Order: sequence, then C-alpha cells, then structure tokens
Amino acid sequence: AIQMTQSPSSLSASVGDRVTITCRASQGIRNDLGWYQQKPGKAPKVLIYAASSLLSGVPSRFSGSGSGTDFTLTISSLQPEDSATYYCQQDSNYPHTFGGGTKVEIK
Amino acid sequence: QLQLQESGPGLERPSETLSLTCTVSGASISSKNFYWGWIRQPPGKGLEWIGSIYYSGTTYYNPSLQSRVTISVDTSKNQFSLRLTSVTVADTAVYYCVRRMAVTGTKLYYFDYWGQGTLVTVSS
Repeated sequence: AIQMTQSPSSLSASVGDRVTITCRASQGIRNDLGWYQQKPGKAPKVLIYAASSLLSGVPSRFSGSGSGTDFTLTISSLQPEDSATYYCQQDSNYPHTFGGGTKVEIK
Repeated sequence: QLQLQESGPGLERPSETLSLTCTVSGASISSKNFYWGWIRQPPGKGLEWIGSIYYSGTTYYNPSLQSRVTISVDTSKNQFSLRLTSVTVADTAVYYCVRRMAVTGTKLYYFDYWGQGTLVTVSS
C-alpha cells in the first residue's frame, strides 16, 4: 500500500498567518491527491481534488500544489474557522490511503 | 441534495459480525461515475479506507481487512451495506459511508459526500 506521510502532525498559528502542510507519498501518484478538512465530531469535507483543484464553495485562501510524491496544502491567511484537522488522501492505487493528519490550532 | 445515512447497532461483542447499512437519498445508487464505500476512524485517530463498491457489484477492499469484509449493494432500496466479521476491540471506530465521485472526463476521483458517521463500539 502507498504510505502517505503528513507533516507537521500539529501546528499553532495566528489569524492571518500563512500555513503550509506537506504530504509525501511513498511512490508516485501523479496528481491523484485530495485534501480533506475535519472538525471535531464531524465528517471530513473535501477541499481540494486532483492535487490543486479547489472545490466549488471552498474559500480561495485554500490552495494545493504538487505532483508525483510531494504535495502541499496552503492556507494563505488563516481564519478562526480553519481550526481543524487536515488529511491528504491518495486515489491513485488501491487501497486508498490517508495521511496521518495535521491538527491546525489558532493561537 | 444528496444525503447518506448510516444505520446499525452501536455495540458489538468481540468475535461477532458488524453490519451497517447506508441509505442514499437524493441520488440513484445506480448512477455511473460513482463508487460507494466505507471509511472508518478509531476514536482520536486517523482515517482508514475499508472498501468500495460500484453499482454493478464490483468491489474493492483494503487488503488489511479483505478476509473479514463484505460490501454489497441493493439498488432496489438505494442502499449499500458493510459486513465485518470476527470483530475485535481494534474495530471500534466511527464508520462513515461515502460516495466517491469521478471528475467529469477524467479518471480522477475524490470522496465528495460523507454520512454523518456512526460509532460502533466492540466490547464484551
């Protein structure tokens, strides 16, 4: 199975900060990567698919980039409502696998 | 608006069989370009994909669970189901049913709709 490694596992940042989360795949996955946001007690919600395509309705401060094995999720200006855990997920091969998650807290 | 709703027992005894059903409303489970599946999350931990099914009945399972898992679809009821045998405490988790959608004109997919999740506890 393809291993997805996210870093950092947690971070604390201030409102307005630029936040970057990285995700590395154990083998190349082209651009078959999604980013999901999960708030406590809720189901995850997709933010980005195909590594860099923003879902309709997702704020433009979220962006994704990367291809192959290295990917990033960037929040350009952190907002209080962005406090959540973020997961990357590869859809290139079965079994579909998720990164371990990055918990984003607001200072 | 598409909705997915999980249903089933919230408590299972070790060695028993976990059975959950996902009822889909607002869309046909027989639509092409969609897969239907299950993802679970142990308390305080990350997400694990369990498996997916196409309306035709083609299934894909996580090898780590393949010997114990069955996913089936009932198009007449617009439902799909999960069956996990010989459960242990390690199977305690929130179980989500999900739809996996194809990006139009591509072979790129993502999980676009999730149920609210149902906690299944395995305990004697």
